[in-house]
Formats: sequence, C-alpha cells, structure tokens
Amino acid sequence: EAGVAQSPRYKIIEKRQSVAFWCNPISGHATLYWYQQILGQGPKLLIQFQNNGVVDDSQLPKDRFSAERLKGVDSTLKIQPAKLEDSAVYLCASSTLTGGWLGTEAFFGQGTRLTVV
Amino acid sequence: AQSVTQLDSHVSVSEGTPVLLRCNYSSSYSPSLFWYVQHPNKGLQLLLKYTSAATLVKGINGFEAEFKKSETSFHLTKPSAHMSDAAEYFCVVSALSSGSARQLTFGSGTQLTVLP
Repeated sequence: EAGVAQSPRYKIIEKRQSVAFWCNPISGHATLYWYQQILGQGPKLLIQFQNNGVVDDSQLPKDRFSAERLKGVDSTLKIQPAKLEDSAVYLCASSTLTGGWLGTEAFFGQGTRLTVV
Repeated sequence: AQSVTQLDSHVSVSEGTPVLLRCNYSSSYSPSLFWYVQHPNKGLQLLLKYTSAATLVKGINGFEAEFKKSETSFHLTKPSAHMSDAAEYFCVVSALSSGSARQLTFGSGTQLTVLP
C-alpha cells in the first residue's frame, strides 16, 4: 500500500513569511496527526484529526499555526507569520480506528524540513 | 495525562555487543507502547509494539522489548548490535486523553552509535 505522502521535503523561508505543508494519509485512515520535531528532540503533537474533525489541538500555537483536513482525507498545515523558532521537521502520520485501536500503529511520512532564516 | 522518559540521550556500543535502550512511562490508563526508529533523513519506522498481550515483544531486525508494569518500563534490547542499527530510537506511549481521544506521546529519543 502507498505510504503517507508529504510535500515539500524541504523549505527555506525568511521570518515573517508564510508557508504551507501538505499531507496525504494512507487511504482509509481516519486519524491524521501533525507533529513538530525540533532538532535533538522527540516529535511533539501539534494537532490531531479524526476524519475531518479536530480532536486535539492543545499544543498548536493558534496565533500563527492553522491546519485543516477537508473531506477527511488530505490535510494542510500553515504557518503565518513564521518565526526563527519554527525551524523544525514537520511530520504527518495516520492511523486506523479499527478494533483495539489504542494499539494500532501510526504510519509516518518522511517529513518536511523547514528552515526559517 | 501520559508521559515517556528515555533515560539515555546517547548510547554507544561496539558492533556485536548487546544493546539496551531504556524507557519509562507514566499513564493513567492501561497503555499501549511502541518503539520507533529514525534513520537520518528517513521517516519513523515501527520496530515493535506492546498491546496488553505477551509482555515480551519481538520486533524487526532482532529487537525485542519487555513490558514491566510494576516498574513502568519498556526497555528495548538486542543481543548483538550491527552497524546498520545506528539511528535515533523513540519510545512512544498510546493512551486515552481526557477527551477520550487516542494520544501518542513521544520520548525525547536515544541516539545509538555502533562502533566498529
């Protein structure tokens, strides 16, 4: 099966500019996650969707970050305006909601490496 | 709320010697636990998972982990390290949030170096 697709792979922008990342999850996966991974740290959850509804965005800096998942399939994450501390890898992941779902693995894309200068 | 503590940020072993990467977790509910590996410029790959069945879990590439509820630990081991095992390893806990959604919480990672 095709994996989680993300684009672009790399992006360099100046501070105060805007940027958008795209994610296409594995077909049929109801849950979609966006994580931020700063160099040397573990991934931190930014937002979690179940179908096209948000179930957790408690760590999303809502003054500058936004995300949507139209039609419950692909998703975009936007930063506007970007700050230097937003430099990180942005990971998208998806998982199913089948039985025993606490134990279902999440499948990750290769991520988008953002550098803010 | 749940949390994960990876006790070593860096582990260095010689090729052919055993590997031990330590992980402790905290969860209000009975969790599921995962180990993921991340090679440079690659995506996160699942090594193994614990889902309340057997407490000793075998994964890919010769890795295994033991769930110890009394110690709230889920340490990752491999009997003999290979050069290709050099990577970053993440322990992850899966549990219900207060809002009844499934949350995946990552540890800070352990960088494994394998010396020739």
